[in-house]
Amino acid sequence: DTGVSQNPRHKITKRGQNVTFRCDPISEHNRLYWYRQTLGQGPEFLTYFQNEAQLEKSRLLSDRFSAERPKGSFSTLEIQRTEQGDSAMYLCASSLHSENNEQFFGPGTRLTVL
Amino acid sequence: KQEVTQIPAALSVPEGENLVLNCSFTDSAIYNLQWFRQDPGKGLTSLLLIQSSQREQTSGRLNASLDKSSGRSTLYIAASQPGDSATYLCAPMDSNYQLIWGAGTKLIIKP
Repeated sequence: DTGVSQNPRHKITKRGQNVTFRCDPISEHNRLYWYRQTLGQGPEFLTYFQNEAQLEKSRLLSDRFSAERPKGSFSTLEIQRTEQGDSAMYLCASSLHSENNEQFFGPGTRLTVL
Repeated sequence: KQEVTQIPAALSVPEGENLVLNCSFTDSAIYNLQWFRQDPGKGLTSLLLIQSSQREQTSGRLNASLDKSSGRSTLYIAASQPGDSATYLCAPMDSNYQLIWGAGTKLIIKP
């Protein structure tokens, strides 16, 4: 296992379509995080899981966004009825809930909504 | 609410210089603090993590310090190289284990 992976790396879609992204964390990590980042800004927290439980969701996460981690391993982030304002880099990170909780990030999925 | 500020927002220096990137945060009740590097269009690479009980951490040419009581951290880069060009982000972790992010310092090292 070489790190956190995300697929696809790039996604171009038309406004109103649904998109789904996948994140595979580092295998022994029990925490998984989703962030969104726009150009020139730091990441914004969206949600996180400990094992399969979704423990927190940001108020930034509208009803059109849903995330799952059904078996406590990989996670999916779905955006329904995409809007142009959803265009951003979606980042996934994982950590081992332990004494330091260091987060390791994947390469991100770049979403462009036309 | 924790707020993180990174100064300067951008920095351009000639190769070989030693430099310091600054990070300040408003709430000193942090769990730890991570420094990350981000290349254009890429994900984030963790550089250093400093526990709240530590004063500094070193990795190669990088040294990060933490003064929790004054809400400050610095990232020192020795003998800068063109390959160090990237955006550097500071992220303290709060007591809920969430990272709070600054906007980053964009660093350009000129050959």
